[in-house]
Amino acid sequence: DAKTTQPPSMDCAEGRAANLPCNHSTISGNEYVYWYRQIHSQGPQYIIHGLKNNETNEMASLIITEDRKSSTLILPHATLRDTAVYYCIVRVASSEYGNKLVFGAGTILRVKS
Amino acid sequence: GAGVSQSPSNKVTEKGKDVELRCDPISGHTALYWYRQRLGQGLEFLIYFQGNSAPDKSGLPSDRFSAERTGESVSTLTIQRTQQEDSAVYLCASSPRRQAPYGYTFGSGTRLTVV
Repeated sequence: DAKTTQPPSMDCAEGRAANLPCNHSTISGNEYVYWYRQIHSQGPQYIIHGLKNNETNEMASLIITEDRKSSTLILPHATLRDTAVYYCIVRVASSEYGNKLVFGAGTILRVKS
Repeated sequence: GAGVSQSPSNKVTEKGKDVELRCDPISGHTALYWYRQRLGQGLEFLIYFQGNSAPDKSGLPSDRFSAERTGESVSTLTIQRTQQEDSAVYLCASSPRRQAPYGYTFGSGTRLTVV
């Protein structure tokens, strides 16, 4: 699976949009981009995933560049409860012998009032 | 249930004792995963079950660690002769069919403390 690079930490003001970048320059054509977050003392939570088109759900938007070498997770109106570690993961959607997610260090997002 | 259930939520054990951690996946989820997270660190993959296929055990750190799963239901992670370095939160996750880009659903974890 392709490796990803994320900034170690970011701050965001409450109510503003949080834009979390992720570089995945070695991504393959059949690899998806997944985002998870982990709030303190909880298990990781799935946020969103995409292949090449931009995606939006009730939690966030995912913008993938045309060359697919990078992506941005957007939390449109960050709240204090969005303070968490955000993980960007790239992997194939289907794999005959293994589909495990490999978590990196992620980005610590601190939302401040 | 609606989510992935793990038990116990907390476990304190003496060094050298064996422990069993349990995971109840979401009904119908064919894939089940175990991860370990030491304090202040990232998630380490331990083992992956997919239906009746042979499990992917590539992440188990030593032969003191083993896991079983009955069909597509409950899984138990067993740690024998526990050591202080085994202290961590053990997280279980499940997902639907492997042939789809679904996300995982994680449980709340079991916090294991070896004293």
